[in-house]
Amino acid sequence: AQKVTQAQTEISVVEKEDVTLDCVYETRDTTYYLFWYKQPPSGELVFLIRRNSFDEQNEISGRYSWNFQKSTSSFNFTITASQVVDSAVYFCALSEDGATNKLIFGTGTLLAVQP
Amino acid sequence: DTGVSQDPRHKITKRGQNVTFRCDPISEHNRLYWYRQTLGQGPEFLTYFQNEAQLEKSRLLSDRFSAERPKGSFSTLEIQRTEQGDSAMYLCASSLWLGQQETQYFGPGTRLLVL
Repeated sequence: AQKVTQAQTEISVVEKEDVTLDCVYETRDTTYYLFWYKQPPSGELVFLIRRNSFDEQNEISGRYSWNFQKSTSSFNFTITASQVVDSAVYFCALSEDGATNKLIFGTGTLLAVQP
Repeated sequence: DTGVSQDPRHKITKRGQNVTFRCDPISEHNRLYWYRQTLGQGPEFLTYFQNEAQLEKSRLLSDRFSAERPKGSFSTLEIQRTEQGDSAMYLCASSLWLGQQETQYFGPGTRLLVL
């Protein structure tokens, strides 16, 4: 069965601290896709990254970086030098290769960045 | 390029009433998804369309729910005889599917409160 676990319900950091959001997934497929979305208080889910199961290279985009490890079924997200504007709920999601690429979401991690 | 739009953004209704939500996808996106998100949870898949065809419905979508996407453009989600348990955020997403991987872009959601 497909499942995404975000064990951290809430994280609070002070501005400029680095923070890592954990994501562990379960799937029986060999081809699958992993995503991170940001949901600010306004409610709209903002796409951050998509990674397919064949690409284990870590990715960096500005202050954001992602660590994909198939051996531990994890796809962790690190924000370097956090800012108040990073405060939001972050969701990790999984979709399996097939006709329907519906997203299976974790329960999200609420990140609060204090000034 | 405008993003996904949803209307209304908020809806308050009394139990037993019917409600209809609209979603306008990103132009030329051929897939449109509906998700439901309750407080403290990640979005859950409800149904999706490829062009005008509704290809999959979740078992979460009871008989009181119906979705359409006439002409393969905008979509509507109707809930008949609303119940308090229908209170949630209803999210729409669209994507351009070319046969393999895709990225879903979300609208701002419609927040429904059933009294």
